[in-house]
Amino acid sequence: DAKTTQPPSMDCAEGRAANLPCNHSTISGNEYVYWYRQIHSQGPQYIIHGLKNNETNEMASLIITEDRKSSTLILPHATLRDTAVYYCIVRVKEGAQKLVFGQGTRLTINP
Amino acid sequence: DAGVIQSPRHEVTEMGQEVTLRCKPISGHNSLFWYRQTMMRGLELLIYFNNNVPIDDSGMPEDRFSAKMPNASFSTLKIQPSEPRDSAVYFCASRRDRGNEAFFGQGTRLTVV
Repeated sequence: DAKTTQPPSMDCAEGRAANLPCNHSTISGNEYVYWYRQIHSQGPQYIIHGLKNNETNEMASLIITEDRKSSTLILPHATLRDTAVYYCIVRVKEGAQKLVFGQGTRLTINP
Repeated sequence: DAGVIQSPRHEVTEMGQEVTLRCKPISGHNSLFWYRQTMMRGLELLIYFNNNVPIDDSGMPEDRFSAKMPNASFSTLKIQPSEPRDSAVYFCASRRDRGNEAFFGQGTRLTVV
C-alpha cells in the first residue's frame, strides 16, 4: 500500500470548517483513499473513501486532487465532538487487504 | 447487529500469567483484524484473518503472542507469558471483503503488573 503523510496536529475553531490534508504521492491507479477517525478511548470509525472523484456523505467531504497525489478531508461545521485523531489510509479496495494505520492528525476543536 | 464484540473490556494481570482476549466479528464479515495501541507506537496491526485463515501475522511481536480463529464468529488473541510491556489497548475489527468499512470493537485495555 502507498505511504501517506499527515501533519501531526491541527486546531480549528468550533463552527468553522476543518480541512485535514494528506499526501499520498506514490498512490497507484487502483488504490483508494480512506479516512478513519478515533475519538479518545474508542475504536477507529470509518468516515469516507474515494478513488478520484470528490465524495460527500453525512459526516464529511473528501477532495482528491486531479493527479491523486494528495487529498483533503473537510468537516464543514466542526463541533467539539469532532476532536479526534484522523487517519488517512491508501489501499486497494478489492480482496482481503490489510488495513494499516499511520500516526494520523490529532485535530482539536476549540470552543 | 451489535457490532464487533470484544471481551473483556478491561484486564489486569500479573506478569507471567496467560491472557486471552476474545472477539466476535460482525456476522457475514470474512476479514478479521487484531490491533494493539500504545502511546509510543500508535495503532499497530498484529495479525489479520480472511475466511478464518491467518493471512499476515508479521505484526505479531514475538512467540508469546498467538491468535486463532476457529470459526467465522470467534477469534482469540493469547499472550503467554504476559509482560508489563504488553500493556496496551487491543482492538479487534472486521470487514466484508468487498466492503468499504472496517468496524472496530470497543477494545480491551490490558494492564500487566
